[in-house]
Amino acid sequence: NAGVTQTPKFQVLKTGQSMTLQCAQDMNHEYMSWYRQDPGMGLRLIHYSVGAGITDQGEVPNGYNVSRSTTEDFPLRLLSAAPSQTSVYFCASSYGMPGNTEAFFGQGTRLTVV
Amino acid sequence: GIQVEQSPPDLILQEGANSTLRCNFSDSVNNLQWFHQNPWGQLINLFYIPSGTKQNGRLSATTVATERYSLLYISSSQTTDSGVYFCAVGRTYKYIFGTGTRLKVLA
Repeated sequence: NAGVTQTPKFQVLKTGQSMTLQCAQDMNHEYMSWYRQDPGMGLRLIHYSVGAGITDQGEVPNGYNVSRSTTEDFPLRLLSAAPSQTSVYFCASSYGMPGNTEAFFGQGTRLTVV
Repeated sequence: GIQVEQSPPDLILQEGANSTLRCNFSDSVNNLQWFHQNPWGQLINLFYIPSGTKQNGRLSATTVATERYSLLYISSSQTTDSGVYFCAVGRTYKYIFGTGTRLKVLA
């Protein structure tokens, strides 16, 4: 039982490049989400999904796309990387909605955009 | 929206000392968790504790939901306890994290 697995752990991108951050969970959780962590800003919600085929925007969605084709996977796509997207990204999953259930987080992806 | 504040913001301890970290929240919650972010940046689940008291080894936590606070106790601290401790409350579709307590345990 691996929990929530994120890849890669570290990534350096050039401005304008695109990439996908991978997130997979093996707990059969319906709810998955992506956060970014920035100094002084805490963790902010980017996108979330309440089940396969259903996604919605969080607080800071601009510049990011998501899709949820399976229960297990929830990739985050950066379409055209910008230095402002330099951050640590966390994927989270839970059995139900955050208001009622325990969250489990991946180990994080540290992204630098130069 | 709900505010989640933690105190103290920073804490330095000698190995073996005990400490209490506090989390105050401004509205009623059904879901509260404590996390440890280690020096490598990983968020480690410590407790899922919407109410009551739980213990896990040297760590314990108490949430008094009616008074809108939670406490995390660390006893006999070790250098591996260093890092940032966050409480987080769940609200509809997102988790709201507190401001964090940065703990450094000196050998």
